[in-house]
Amino acid sequence: QSALTQPASVSGSPGQSITISCTGSSSDVGAYNYVTWYQQHPGKAPKLMIYDVSNRPSGVSNRFSGSKSGNTASLTISGLQAEDEADYYCSSHTSSSSTVFGGGTKLTVL
Amino acid sequence: QEQLVQSGSELKEPGASVKVSCKASGYTFTRYAMNWVRQAPGQGLEWMGWINTNTGNPTYAQGFTGRFVFSLDTSVSTAYLQISSLRAEDTAVYYCTRDRLVATFDIWGQGTMVTVSS
Repeated sequence: QSALTQPASVSGSPGQSITISCTGSSSDVGAYNYVTWYQQHPGKAPKLMIYDVSNRPSGVSNRFSGSKSGNTASLTISGLQAEDEADYYCSSHTSSSSTVFGGGTKLTVL
Repeated sequence: QEQLVQSGSELKEPGASVKVSCKASGYTFTRYAMNWVRQAPGQGLEWMGWINTNTGNPTYAQGFTGRFVFSLDTSVSTAYLQISSLRAEDTAVYYCTRDRLVATFDIWGQGTMVTVSS
């Protein structure tokens, strides 16, 4: 199973919005609404931010939103804040009943 | 509160074995599957597989068959990852993580750093 494709890096200024894409295939992202997004700060464990494409767990800011079109999912962060600077990973359930992660995107808040 | 607490860092020589533990608390251990995720230094997350905490049946991702073994001790709500015949390329942080839904990892252990070096 090949990793999902994410941009290596994105950046934005405080208050702006950014979008991170996550491209898979018809065997994973395109096949199921089981796309998940995680935030990881340096030296820390990942944190669940979005599940089932667009659902936010309790406690996650509504500045984070998710969507999907075809084989590509997206994470949008609005009103960027300094603490949003982190690595972001997407993942998806696959047709072989496995889970596949994206390569990760480093978000820099300028 | 619901949490996963992993065992501490390990330094092993090539060819040795290591067993990482992951103790769950604050929830019914057998209600959710346990997954394992590897993160090599400076690299991304890699799904290793999962274990059914009711039956003990493990499923391994491609690339994690043979030397990797998932196991449980439900009496102490603990999952284990054992890696044998360690190689330098096994150097990584290993995370256990609870699967709340389908491929939704909502609780993560703090990670266990395994270093393989002579």
